Amino acid sequence: KAGVTQTPRYLIKTRGQQVTLSCSPISGHRSVSWYQQTPGQGLQFLFEYFSETQRNKGNFPGRFSGRQFSNSRSEMNVSTLELGDSALYLCASRNLRTSGSNEQFFGPGTRLTVL
Amino acid sequence: DAKTTQPPSMDCAEGRAANLPCNHSTISGNEYVYWYRQIHSQGPQYIIHGLKNNETNEMASLIITEDRKSSTLILPHATLRDTAVYYCIVRAPNTGNQFYFGTGTSLTVIP
Repeated sequence: KAGVTQTPRYLIKTRGQQVTLSCSPISGHRSVSWYQQTPGQGLQFLFEYFSETQRNKGNFPGRFSGRQFSNSRSEMNVSTLELGDSALYLCASRNLRTSGSNEQFFGPGTRLTVL
Repeated sequence: DAKTTQPPSMDCAEGRAANLPCNHSTISGNEYVYWYRQIHSQGPQYIIHGLKNNETNEMASLIITEDRKSSTLILPHATLRDTAVYYCIVRAPNTGNQFYFGTGTSLTVIP
């Protein structure tokens, strides 16, 4: 089974621009979560989508948004980029089961640099 | 979700067992213990998880104390490629809550 894929892997933008990152989950996984990782703050949860609906959201400003498509692929968008948005953005998918555990599987991440 | 406490860093000699501890004294009865690791600038990699019983897979073993307030991840024969940050997470299944990663333990395997 192919793993979680994220595109692009690297991205350079300037302040004020917007960016869209893409994530394709493992086949059959309908839950997709997004995380931001920076040296100072570590791994921080952005949001989770399941069946095209956002089911949980972290403590990030409204400039960060996401969506999920019917094929479970997900995109996240950051508008009006700031220098502090430079980070590794990670996507994770999981197979929500009615019982038992539901571990997450992460993609390689998109490294965003804002100049 | 219960929070976890891990030592910030550890060293281990190559070929020896690496034992990484985690305290989760406020764990609830339905919360699983998960372990992930992250090699520099890569996405976190799932290692193992457990509820009550000890677990073993091809990567590692997980020992959970009887009171479930702490656990230990064991890498039986550490290699240089095991150098990474290891995260211990506790989480209930099928909740809307995210995985809280904390700061993890930075394991350095020394040749």
